Amino acid sequence: QKEVEQNSGPLSVPEGAIASLNCTYSDRGSQSFFWYRQYSGKSPELIMSIYSNGDKEDGRFTAQLNKASQYVSLLIRDSQPSDSATYLCAVTPPGGGADGLTFGKGTHLIIQP
Amino acid sequence: DTEVTQTPKHLVMGMTNKKSLKCEQHMGHRAMYWYKQKAKKPPELMFVYSYEKLSINESVPSRFSPECPNSSLLNLHLHALQPEDSALYLCASSQNPGGETQYFGPGTRLLVL
Repeated sequence: QKEVEQNSGPLSVPEGAIASLNCTYSDRGSQSFFWYRQYSGKSPELIMSIYSNGDKEDGRFTAQLNKASQYVSLLIRDSQPSDSATYLCAVTPPGGGADGLTFGKGTHLIIQP
Repeated sequence: DTEVTQTPKHLVMGMTNKKSLKCEQHMGHRAMYWYKQKAKKPPELMFVYSYEKLSINESVPSRFSPECPNSSLLNLHLHALQPEDSALYLCASSQNPGGETQYFGPGTRLLVL
């Protein structure tokens, strides 16, 4: 069974600090990894996608992937109150066919002004 | 432009009603998805359409009936729903099936009385 694990939080981080969000997945053959941000009552919004081992940076966001450890993380630098949201880690399984996303339960992030 | 639109935004229906949810994208994406999200839970995959053909049905009850009339449009027909079906219904699309980034619409919030 495909599983994606996240610490549900809440994770409380002071404004301006680095927020670190973690995710592990069970299907070793998983190929595509995503971080979505979801504000309360809204739909998920893509933050980052990552497909190969290493770091990928986009503005204040850095995604890190370690397939050997089956681990994905998201770092948010210079955290802002507007970053307060639930962050969903999502994974697609191997196979190359049409597959939906398997989501973790999400980490609730609170940025304290 | 990565816009997926969904109508209606909100829907209240009785258990004997028949209603439909509509999802549209004009990005030329060839895969479209329906997800269901209950409060404080992650989205759960319901259906996947790949090149206008149903490729995944995640054991969804028959009271939910998907339809893909063309490559831009996805419908979800609802009939004889139960109160526990009340949720946020999310549509997503991706350029191609098989692990590509999925973009979500704003969702339809459904309440079954």
